[in-house]
Amino acid sequence: SQQGEEDPQALSIQEGENATMNCSYKTSINNLQWYRQNSGRGLVHLILIRSNEREKHSGRLRVTLDTSKKSSSLLITASRAADTASYFCATDGGATNKLIFGTGTLLAVQP
Amino acid sequence: DAMVIQNPRYQVTQFGKPVTLSCSQTLNHNVMYWYQQKSSQAPKLLFHYYDKDFNNEADTPDNFQSRRPNTSFCFLDIRSPGLGDAAMYLCATSSRTAIQETQYFGPGTRLLVL
Repeated sequence: SQQGEEDPQALSIQEGENATMNCSYKTSINNLQWYRQNSGRGLVHLILIRSNEREKHSGRLRVTLDTSKKSSSLLITASRAADTASYFCATDGGATNKLIFGTGTLLAVQP
Repeated sequence: DAMVIQNPRYQVTQFGKPVTLSCSQTLNHNVMYWYQQKSSQAPKLLFHYYDKDFNNEADTPDNFQSRRPNTSFCFLDIRSPGLGDAAMYLCATSSRTAIQETQYFGPGTRLLVL
């Protein structure tokens, strides 16, 4: 399977703390994306990082990419209860028009 | 606002009774995707259309079919739903570029098979 792996599978933190999720993938990529999914809803795109980038920021989100290790991390700073959701990384596997999703991390932020 | 719309949000069908799920988009994207997502799992791509070109994933069962009559609409037909087909079905779109860009997802249709 080309599917990526994410860890941890589940993460519970208090509001205001930082949350870090990790993603590992298997094939070469052009870019890596992170999506959020609230319970019972569709996925929402958060951020995209290209293979020639090492770090990217968007608001409270910070993404890093290490292509030599085939891994990425998503950091959410100063978490809020509204950040409670599942987070998925997704890669293009070096191909076009298709995304390969990781297994996801379920984040619970306690108020 | 431009968006991806899925109807219905919840669908109940009987074992073996054909069902159709629909997706429409106002983004004018030329690529449309159907994913199946089971509880606590990652979305699994079933197939996608690039314009009118249909691209089936190798492990998508024959029970699943799709139609795209125009740019805006795409349908997922399940010919004989089994209990194992109960899942969330997600439609997504993207604009074709040389390198995969962002996909825009609809809210999903949750299918229950009785």
